Amino acid sequence: GQQVMQIPQYQHVQEGEDFTTYCNSSTTLSNIQWYKQRPGGHPVFLIQLVKSGEVKKQKRLTFQFGEAKKNSSLHITATQTTDVGTYFCAATSGTYKYIFGTGTRLKVLA
Amino acid sequence: DAGVIQSPRHEVTEMGQEVTLRCKPISGHNSLFWYRQTMMRGLELLIYFNNNVPIDDSGMPEDRFSAKMPNASFSTLKIQPSEPRDSAVYFCASSLGTRQPQHFGDGTRLSIL
Repeated sequence: GQQVMQIPQYQHVQEGEDFTTYCNSSTTLSNIQWYKQRPGGHPVFLIQLVKSGEVKKQKRLTFQFGEAKKNSSLHITATQTTDVGTYFCAATSGTYKYIFGTGTRLKVLA
Repeated sequence: DAGVIQSPRHEVTEMGQEVTLRCKPISGHNSLFWYRQTMMRGLELLIYFNNNVPIDDSGMPEDRFSAKMPNASFSTLKIQPSEPRDSAVYFCASSLGTRQPQHFGDGTRLSIL
């Protein structure tokens, strides 16, 4: 079945440093979503990518969908303490069923 | 606007007891998902409803788990009998349709002793 791997599992950065998390699928994807979950909270939708090679930006966050639609990345420029949380990708091959990645837990040191 | 509402927020009970988790999706959303989150297994889809009809329950761990959606504004997830390994955070999420953003509730933190 479809597998979604996310790396790294954990990342500690100094405030102001950049951060990137990567999502890789064993199958070609229809689209991919990204979510953020704060400690003790629930996943909150950030963005959806649909097109091959698509790049979307939200302030300091840049999301990219690979050309082959098998991988994606989330890059945060100049992290802030408010960026703390776990970032999940959720991928689908075309149905309602999104497979969530294992998540990358980001810790930002002030 | 109210988001997805789940109850209870926390549940602690002894093994063997019946547990019922409740969810009210966002009005107008026709897709509803139940997820379970644990450190070991991450976020797992248990069951998916579309227009109140269960479409995929392949993620339901075993017969002890059941879910219903009697109408568009209410769903339940029941565990009977509960076991310690069922301890997890259970999330309900709803969306406007398939391949649309999912809106998660605050979750139910379930502890089975």
